[in-house]
This record gives sequence, C-alpha cells and structure tokens, in this order.
Amino acid sequence: GENVEQHPSTLSVQEGDSAVIKCTYSDSASNYFPWYKQELGKRPQLIIDIRSNVGEKKDQRIAVTLNKTAKHFSLHITETQPEDSAVYFCAATGNTGGFKTIFGAGTRLFVKA
Amino acid sequence: DVKVTQSSRYLVKRTGEKVFLECVQDMDHENMFWYRQDPGLGLRLIYFSYDVKMKEKGDIPEGYSVSREKKERFSLILESASTNQTSMYLCASSRTGGGNQPQHFGDGTRLSIL
Repeated sequence: GENVEQHPSTLSVQEGDSAVIKCTYSDSASNYFPWYKQELGKRPQLIIDIRSNVGEKKDQRIAVTLNKTAKHFSLHITETQPEDSAVYFCAATGNTGGFKTIFGAGTRLFVKA
Repeated sequence: DVKVTQSSRYLVKRTGEKVFLECVQDMDHENMFWYRQDPGLGLRLIYFSYDVKMKEKGDIPEGYSVSREKKERFSLILESASTNQTSMYLCASSRTGGGNQPQHFGDGTRLSIL
C-alpha cells in the first residue's frame, strides 16, 4: 500500500542553525503535501503545505520543497529557535483510496539554546 | 477558527468493554477522520467519513467501528476493548476539495485499556 517515509526520526540542532526534514512518498498520484507541528501534549497543527503544481513554498523561516519526479519533499527551518522544538509530521494525500492522507512517522526536533 | 472537540482527554476502560469516543466539529466540514497515534508510528488512519452516514476504512480498522449520524459528529467505537488498543486517539476534520485541504485536529483522547 501507499506509505510515506520520514527522516530523521530525531534531530538536534543549535539555536540559530537550520533544520531539514525529508520525506519520500510512494503514491505517484499524491498531489497535496502538508506539514504538521505537534508540541508536547498538544494537537498537530498545520504549519505549511504545498500542492503538486508548485516546486517550492516559503513562509518566513519555514520553506517546503517538492520534487515530484523523485517523489521527495522536504521541510526547511532556518534560524531555529527553542520554540521550534516539537514533533513534525509530513503527509501526502492523493486521488486514490478516497483522498486518504498518509502520514510519516514523525521527526522529533530539539533546538538547544 | 476551526474547533474540533473530543469528549475526553483521558479515559480508562477495562478489557472487553464497549468504548465510545466522540468528536464534534463546528465548521460544517464534510470530512472527518479518526487516527491513533503511537510512538514511532506516526498517525495511522482508522476510519474516515465524507458525509453523513458514509464511512470508509482506513489502514487499521480492525476492532473498531464508526458512526456519523450528523455532519458535525463522528464517533469511534471499540467493540470489545483490548489492551493493544491503548493509545492516543486523534479526531480531525477538513473541508472537501479533492483532498487538497488541511486537516484540523482535536486535542486527542489518551485511552488506557486495563
């Protein structure tokens, strides 16, 4: 079946450095790729998303890139801050299986002050 | 702002009990979802629904059922609870739109089966 692989599972960076999280999806029909941030004890919340007709999208310190040919997409966080510490999930939604969204296993990001 | 409300934050039940988890959204969203979240496994889809009285199986439907009698409410039912169903359960909703819409999550229900 469809799956989304996410790496790394844990990432530790120094405050001010950049963080990159990578995902690979299997369903070539996937056309929507959201990223969610889940702080400890809280609900996952959308931080950025990208659609298949776009290669890159940026929102302040956060950017997402999509390579449809390679079926890769990545989250880039620049100038990391301690409040960026959380679990980040990538996801892919396609047109098969009734628009089902498949989530990656998550990346726990630690930003050290 | 979208509000997805799950009836309980914490729930403790016994093996063999029938368990009901309730979810209500206030944004008139067509789509609703139930996930379970386990460490290292991300969010796994149990069931989802596109409309009232409609339901579709997700990746791990075994041992669960759902009910959607009203558009705003989506219930998850554990028919006979077992210890391997101890988990965090998350409800979500989204607008329709070919799947290209973000999901809005509730705060989750941490369910323990003893």
